[in-house]
Amino acid sequence: EAGVVQSPRYKIIEKKQPVAFWCNPISGHNTLYWYLQNLGQGPELLIRYENEEAVDDSQLPKDRFSAERLKGVDSTLKIQPAELGDSAVYLCASSLGPGQGVYEQYFGPGTRLTVT
Amino acid sequence: QKEVEQNSGPLSVPEGAIASLNCTYSDRGSQSFFWYRQYSGKSPELIMFIYSNGDKEDGRFTAQLNKASQYVSLLIRDSQPSDSATYLCAVKRDSGAGSYQLTFGKGTKLSVIP
Repeated sequence: EAGVVQSPRYKIIEKKQPVAFWCNPISGHNTLYWYLQNLGQGPELLIRYENEEAVDDSQLPKDRFSAERLKGVDSTLKIQPAELGDSAVYLCASSLGPGQGVYEQYFGPGTRLTVT
Repeated sequence: QKEVEQNSGPLSVPEGAIASLNCTYSDRGSQSFFWYRQYSGKSPELIMFIYSNGDKEDGRFTAQLNKASQYVSLLIRDSQPSDSATYLCAVKRDSGAGSYQLTFGKGTKLSVIP
C-alpha cells in the first residue's frame, strides 16, 4: 500500500514569491492534515480536513496561506507571498476518519521549503 | 505554559540500557497519548499510543500513563543504536462532535552509544 505522497520534496524560492505543495493521502483515509515543523520543534497543525471540509484551520495564517481539498482526496497548500520566516518543513499526514478508532496519523516525507 | 513539555535532550544511554523519555501535559481533559519517533531528516512515525492509566507494552517499548500527575513516559529496553532519534510526545483532546485537538511536544533527542 502506498504511503502519503508529497511533492516537491525540496523547494527554494525568493521571498515574496508564491509556492505550492501537493499531498496525496493514503487511499481510504478521510482525514488529512497539514503541519509545519521548524528545526528542533514538534509539528504544528496548520489545517485539518475531514473529506473536503476544513474542520480546523485556526492556526492557518489566512493572510498568506491557503489550502484546498476539492474532491476529498489530494490537497494543495499554498503560500503567497512567501516570507523568510516560512522556511520550514511542511508535513502532510492522513488518518482514518472520526469514529474509526485510533487516530493514527501517517506522515508523508515532507517538503523542505527554503525562502531566501 | 507549553501544553506539552518534553526535555529536548540529548539523552545519551549506552547500548543495552533502558532509555526513559518523559512528557508532561497541561490539559487535564486530554484523553489519548501518542509517541512518535522521528529520524533526522525523516517524517514522524507512530510507535505507541495509550489511553488508560498504567503501562502498555509492545516489544521493547513500554508506555506509561499517569493522568493524575499529567505525565506520560516511554521506556525503551535493550536500547540499540538504531533507536537514536527524536521522540515526539503528542496529546489528543476531544472537543465533541468529532472535533479534537492534537498537540505535539518539541521532542527529546535520544542517542544510544555503542
